[in-house]
Amino acid sequence: AQSVTQPDIHITVSEGASLELRCNYSYGATPYLFWYVQSPGQGLQLLLKYFSGDTLVQGIKGFEAEFKRSQSSFNLRKPSVHWSDAAEYFCAVAPRYNNNDMRFGAGTRLTVKP
Amino acid sequence: DAGVIQSPRHEVTEMGQEVTLRCKPISGHDYLFWYRQTMMRGLELLIYFNNNVPIDDSGMPEDRFSAKMPNASFSTLKIQPSEPRDSAVYFCASSSRGGYNEQFFGPGTRLTVL
Repeated sequence: AQSVTQPDIHITVSEGASLELRCNYSYGATPYLFWYVQSPGQGLQLLLKYFSGDTLVQGIKGFEAEFKRSQSSFNLRKPSVHWSDAAEYFCAVAPRYNNNDMRFGAGTRLTVKP
Repeated sequence: DAGVIQSPRHEVTEMGQEVTLRCKPISGHDYLFWYRQTMMRGLELLIYFNNNVPIDDSGMPEDRFSAKMPNASFSTLKIQPSEPRDSAVYFCASSSRGGYNEQFFGPGTRLTVL
């Protein structure tokens, strides 16, 4: 069955520390991959996406993600977290044969300690 | 552009009542999506339109739910009759060229059915 998994429900990091949020997918073929961020009371905003090509993708707000086909993973990273990064982060996938059918992971809530 | 506009932002109603949620997509976008977000099921795609035509409504939970897009600048999601289990945040999103481009999300409508 097609699925996207975010193993960590909640992560707490100190401001200035590095961050890695995990995302694994199970699809018949490599899907399109996305990371979205949701601030409290807000809609989702796209951080970055991967369709093909370079497996290291740069996004907005200093985020990057690396696609690893062998691990079926698309982990999100940031070298130095800011207090304003506290939010909910969603990994999403869409099959190449219907890239409008986007499926979201359960989300990872990020808390940033001062 | 003002972004995707949703109304109302909050809706509280009683079981059995009809509820209508509204969405104005970003001008020029030809795809419109309706999502539902709950703690139990996360973020789910309900239906999406292309050029005002419903393309995939397989995510609509049951016949009590219906969605329309009478023109390029307006869409509605109706629940009739509403039930407590419909309580959720409903998001509308729009994009140009569908899944190849970013989906821009509205702020959502928080629906509470008593």
